[in-house]
Amino acid sequence: NAGVTQTPKFRVLKTGQSMTLLCAQDMNHEYMYWYRQDPGMGLRLIHYSVGEGTTAKGEVPDGYNVSRLKKQNFLLGLESAAPSQTSVYFCASSSLREVIQETQYFGPGTRLLVL
Amino acid sequence: AQSVAQPEDQVNVAEGNPLTVKCTYSVSGNPYLFWYVQYPNRGLQFLLKYITGDNLVKGSYGFEAEFNKSQTSFHLKKPSALVSDSALYFCAVRPFAAGNKLTFGGGTRVLVKP
Repeated sequence: NAGVTQTPKFRVLKTGQSMTLLCAQDMNHEYMYWYRQDPGMGLRLIHYSVGEGTTAKGEVPDGYNVSRLKKQNFLLGLESAAPSQTSVYFCASSSLREVIQETQYFGPGTRLLVL
Repeated sequence: AQSVAQPEDQVNVAEGNPLTVKCTYSVSGNPYLFWYVQYPNRGLQFLLKYITGDNLVKGSYGFEAEFNKSQTSFHLKKPSALVSDSALYFCAVRPFAAGNKLTFGGGTRVLVKP
């Protein structure tokens, strides 16, 4: 199993450009999440999904959109990138089977720099 | 709303000495508490969790954590630190009613010196 993978690993954008980050998991997990990590602030939840075709807002959703067309994939889009979106983005997934007790499994991260 | 505080930005410890990383939380109802570790340029890895039962939880790599309800704390401990334990540690809380959404603390960097 590859677990949770993220594409790309690193990207530089200019202000106003758009891009999509791809997260894929091969564990058949129902739940998927997108976080951003900023120094001293831990991880903050951007959006999450409890199943194929469903998404919901997290703590910091503004400026981002997501889609979950397939169970194994969770896409994070930036329509018009801003310097404030410079961050490290992590995707995670978890099982519904024991939703309260299940841990989240994280991908390796995508480092995004917006100039 | 729930919150997690990790009061120390960095903890320095000599190899072989005990390691403690502090975490306090604020949540309504019963908390579910987690510790994750992040090595450089890597994603977070699960260390241990408290759901219910024994207040002392044992996890991966020799780590353990003690749940203290009266002090609303969940400190991470290791009796004898290794240089390879140098990493960024995150405490997280999931309230019972929050489904599967975690709230993370700001992280504590641990530096173990030989």
